[in-house]
Amino acid sequence: QKEVEQNSGPLSVPEGAIASLNCTYSDRGSQSFFWYRQYSGKSPELIMSIYSNGDKEDGRFTAQLNKASQYVSLLIRDSQPSDSATYLCAVNYKGNRDDKIIFGKGTRLHILP
Amino acid sequence: EPEVTQTPSHQVTQMGQEVILRCVPISNHLYFYWYRQILGQKVEFLVSFYNNEISEKSEIFDDQFSVERPDGSNFTLKIRSTKLEDSAMYFCASREFDYGYTFGSGTRLTVV
Repeated sequence: QKEVEQNSGPLSVPEGAIASLNCTYSDRGSQSFFWYRQYSGKSPELIMSIYSNGDKEDGRFTAQLNKASQYVSLLIRDSQPSDSATYLCAVNYKGNRDDKIIFGKGTRLHILP
Repeated sequence: EPEVTQTPSHQVTQMGQEVILRCVPISNHLYFYWYRQILGQKVEFLVSFYNNEISEKSEIFDDQFSVERPDGSNFTLKIRSTKLEDSAMYFCASREFDYGYTFGSGTRLTVV
């Protein structure tokens, strides 16, 4: 069974601080990893993708990947109230004929003004 | 920025009725997906579609479900005989090669 595990939270972080979100996955063969942000009642919105070990930075967001530990993380610097949302970790799994992404349950992030 | 369009945004249907959810993927994307999210639960994979046929489906996607790309632009999900437990947000997604999936705004299906 392919699994993506996240702490459901809520994670409360003061405005301006760094929010750190973590995710583990079960399939060592996975090659593509994504972070999506989902506001209540809305669809997932892609914010970061990462494919190789190490860090990838995009503005205030940094994704980190460690394939040996099967671990993905997302750092949000200078957290803003608008960052309050559920953050979904998604991992690509190869099926027989096509890939598909499997989501974790998400971590609810609350930025405290 | 290109987007995936879904209609309707909200559909209410009686148990046992057929529903069709519609999606227009991004035009140059090659792979199409349906996901669903029951309220308070995680986003679940239903089916993937490539080259005009189903390429993968989950155990949720049973004989009551079908997908079609009737005219080269629309991508539809049909539920033949809806059950109460089919109530959920249904998201269409598309992608180009190995990039992240772009999701539509979703259709909230309520079965009464």
